[in-house]
Amino acid sequence: QTVVTQEPSLTVSPGGTVTLTCASSTGAVTSGHSPNWFQQKPGQAPRALIYNTGNKHSWTPARFSGSLLGDKAALTLSDVQPEDEAEYYCLLYYGPVWVFGGGTKLTVL
Amino acid sequence: QVQLVQSGAEVKRPGASVKVSCKASGYDFTNYAMHWVRQAPGQRLEWLGWINAASGDPNYSQEFRDRITFTRETSATTAYMEVRGLTSGDTAMYYCTRERWGGRWESWGQGTPVIVS
Repeated sequence: QTVVTQEPSLTVSPGGTVTLTCASSTGAVTSGHSPNWFQQKPGQAPRALIYNTGNKHSWTPARFSGSLLGDKAALTLSDVQPEDEAEYYCLLYYGPVWVFGGGTKLTVL
Repeated sequence: QVQLVQSGAEVKRPGASVKVSCKASGYDFTNYAMHWVRQAPGQRLEWLGWINAASGDPNYSQEFRDRITFTRETSATTAYMEVRGLTSGDTAMYYCTRERWGGRWESWGQGTPVIVS
């Protein structure tokens, strides 16, 4: 069974920069895994932030960016705002199935 | 604007079935895949599978393929998910979410809580 691993929790100061990563138990994450990133706040549905590694939706704030970092997918938040405190999930494609990561709880403190 | 509106909360007995609907509006329904995702209380998101809204062909997560059925009604621009043989482990929020072909996940429904008790 394929496992997608994220940092369970991270803490960042307002105005700082933080990188969340997404690793695959099958090996290096590539663009072929179509990495997607989602933000979820308590009591809300997830919201899509990034698709296909580094593409932003029209509603995605500019301070969010996606990339491949080494053998992982990565989500970088720059100039972090208090409202960025949330759970972040990555999603990878293993044709024809998709697998979510365990989520990273980001605390802005 | 794009909207995915799901049916309301369900409370079911163990062994029962539940059918959740997802009404799409604001876009061409058949140009997207519809995925179903669930989240047990305090747990991670879990992919259940997807349906090709154009052809109606489903693809299920291995774990659920024996108990879940996806259908869609193109004239009503609505997707459906039925889960059979419910157990307490199926208590979760169930979401529909659309994907533009090629890995671009976009909008999500508001979620349907299903409680099995």
